[in-house]
Amino acid sequence: KAGVTQTPRYLIKTRGQQVTLSCSPISGHRSVSWYQQTPGQGLQFLFEYFSETQRNKGNFPGRFSGRQFSNSRSEMNVSTLELGDSALYLCASSFRRGRTNTEAFFGQGTRLTVV
Amino acid sequence: QQQVKQSPQSLIVQKGGISIINCAYENTAFDYFPWYQQFPGKGPALLIAIRPDVSEKKEGRFTISFNKSAKQFSLHIMDSQPGDSATYFCAAIAFRGSNYKLTFGKGTLLTVNP
Repeated sequence: KAGVTQTPRYLIKTRGQQVTLSCSPISGHRSVSWYQQTPGQGLQFLFEYFSETQRNKGNFPGRFSGRQFSNSRSEMNVSTLELGDSALYLCASSFRRGRTNTEAFFGQGTRLTVV
Repeated sequence: QQQVKQSPQSLIVQKGGISIINCAYENTAFDYFPWYQQFPGKGPALLIAIRPDVSEKKEGRFTISFNKSAKQFSLHIMDSQPGDSATYFCAAIAFRGSNYKLTFGKGTLLTVNP
């Protein structure tokens, strides 16, 4: 069974640009969550999508947005990039049915560097 | 507002020793408590998880101890090996209706010396 796939693995962008990251969840998983990982702040929750709807959102500015498609694939967009957006962006998928099958499985992440 | 506090920040253990990582949570409404292991350049990988109605869960060399009244849980790695050297994250999951949120501790960098 294929794992969570994130593309691209590495990105270098300039301040002010925008970026789109992609995540393909494990087959059959309908929940996709996004996290930002930095040395100083650790793993911070961005948002979760389930059945194409954003179900929960972390404490990030509106420059961070996402969407989920009918095949459960998800994209995350960051507009007007700032230097502080440099981080490892992780996607996690979960089967998520009620309070069982709740484990989240992570992809390898996209390393975003803003210069 | 950090709802899951993890300690220590870093830990050095000799091969064969016991590694112990502790976490405390503030939100009594958490429903599930997983631990993740992360190697450099990789995403976190689920290691072991426990529900709040269970006091202990063991999988191989890894054991979670859970104290619901104290709102604390810990990971014990028995017979620690150099290959266990990684960053470990405790986490807590809360369900609210259709909402699902995973909150992580800050992580513990474990180094196991040969």
